[in-house]
Amino acid sequence: AQSVTQLGSHVSVSEGALVLLRCNYSSSVPPYLFWYVQYPNQGLQLLLKYTTGATLVKGINGFEAEFKKSETSFHLTKPSAHMSDAAEYFCAVSLIYNQGGKLIFGQGTELSVKP
Amino acid sequence: NAGVTQTPKFRILKIGQSMTLQCTQDMNHNYMYWYRQDPGMGLKLIYYSVGAGITDKGEVPNGYNVSRSTTEDFPLRLELAAPSQTSVYFCASAATDEQFFGPGTRLTVL
Repeated sequence: AQSVTQLGSHVSVSEGALVLLRCNYSSSVPPYLFWYVQYPNQGLQLLLKYTTGATLVKGINGFEAEFKKSETSFHLTKPSAHMSDAAEYFCAVSLIYNQGGKLIFGQGTELSVKP
Repeated sequence: NAGVTQTPKFRILKIGQSMTLQCTQDMNHNYMYWYRQDPGMGLKLIYYSVGAGITDKGEVPNGYNVSRSTTEDFPLRLELAAPSQTSVYFCASAATDEQFFGPGTRLTVL
């Protein structure tokens, strides 16, 4: 069965510092991977996704993630944190691409950005 | 486009009461989902639908029911509310792989 583990339920960085949010998955077949962001009192919105092709994926707001099959990881990074990046971030995996596949979510990582 | 809308935004129920959480999307998406979000637990899939008239259970379906009579609407029914159903509920829809989420319904059962 697939599962997703996000290392660290809370991450705090200073404004301008590197953001690194970790995600590892388990899957018996190549998965499709997603990062979603949730701002306070809002629904989730897609940051970026990996399906096939280039393993370094760029998303909105300067975020990117790299799919590393050998490490079963899909870590999210941003070179320089901004106050507006404070939110909760969810990694998710799906085995069924392009058919409205069900998502399995990690438990989430709350990102705080200090001035 | 309004996207995915959910009503109500907040609700307090007494144990044993019933209610329906409404979800509507105006993007003509075939796929729709209901999730619940509990602190530190991520989102868990309750039910999903691949098209009008077709629904199936997700990871945590007990205590809930759904129907999908139209493409636009996917209501979630709680028949006998229990404190364990206190949560934030999100509806989502998708045409392909990207799911679009509604703003959520915060439900408290006392």
